[in-house]
Amino acid sequence: ILNVEQSPQSLHVQEGDSTNFTCSFPSSNFYALHWYRWETAKSPEALFVMTLNGDEKKKGRISATLNTKEGYSYLYIKGSQPEDSATYLCAFIWNNAGNMLTFGGGTRLMVKP
Amino acid sequence: NAGVTQTPKFQVLKTGQSMTLQCAQDMNHEYMSWYRQDPGMGLRLIHYSVGAGITDQGEVPNGYNVSRSTTEDFPLRLLSAAPSQTSVYFCASSYRGRITDTQYFGPGTRLTVL
Repeated sequence: ILNVEQSPQSLHVQEGDSTNFTCSFPSSNFYALHWYRWETAKSPEALFVMTLNGDEKKKGRISATLNTKEGYSYLYIKGSQPEDSATYLCAFIWNNAGNMLTFGGGTRLMVKP
Repeated sequence: NAGVTQTPKFQVLKTGQSMTLQCAQDMNHEYMSWYRQDPGMGLRLIHYSVGAGITDQGEVPNGYNVSRSTTEDFPLRLLSAAPSQTSVYFCASSYRGRITDTQYFGPGTRLTVL
């Protein structure tokens, strides 16, 4: 069983604050890392797919970086808005076929207006 | 497209009962999978399938069976429900399950075993 950890578990910020959180994974057997956004009462939705060391992805105010050598990825949200409130999940893909994913426990972000 | 659909949304079982959670997708995805989500834990892979007629075990397969007779459907069977199987179950699919194929999730089934 692989250990994929996300920190912090939960985060409260004020509207307009910028924030970031971490996904840590084993640095060996790395094939890809996915980030998902999961709003309450909805299903997780894909944000980013990251495969190469040094990858940086951006979608609007959300961006992510990847360091496969040290086994971590950061997710950044610039100028948080209440609609960013959600749980952010990372999924570590550890086989070449892509069919074995291990999810982290998620970071629950709450943005206060 | 309806995407990934799951039925039922809620279910209460007694210990020892069996049931099937249904999952269907209309995106012609080859890869389908089942996860369970428990408080304080991430999504854990139960079983997955890379195509019709092919299934394999994930991280937590005990107490569950699956089959994949068609590309569209991937039912999950609980053979003899136990309280430890109380959880929220998510079905997911992806195009071919490659490392760059993201998962599309269903709305979930909340199961309580008494």
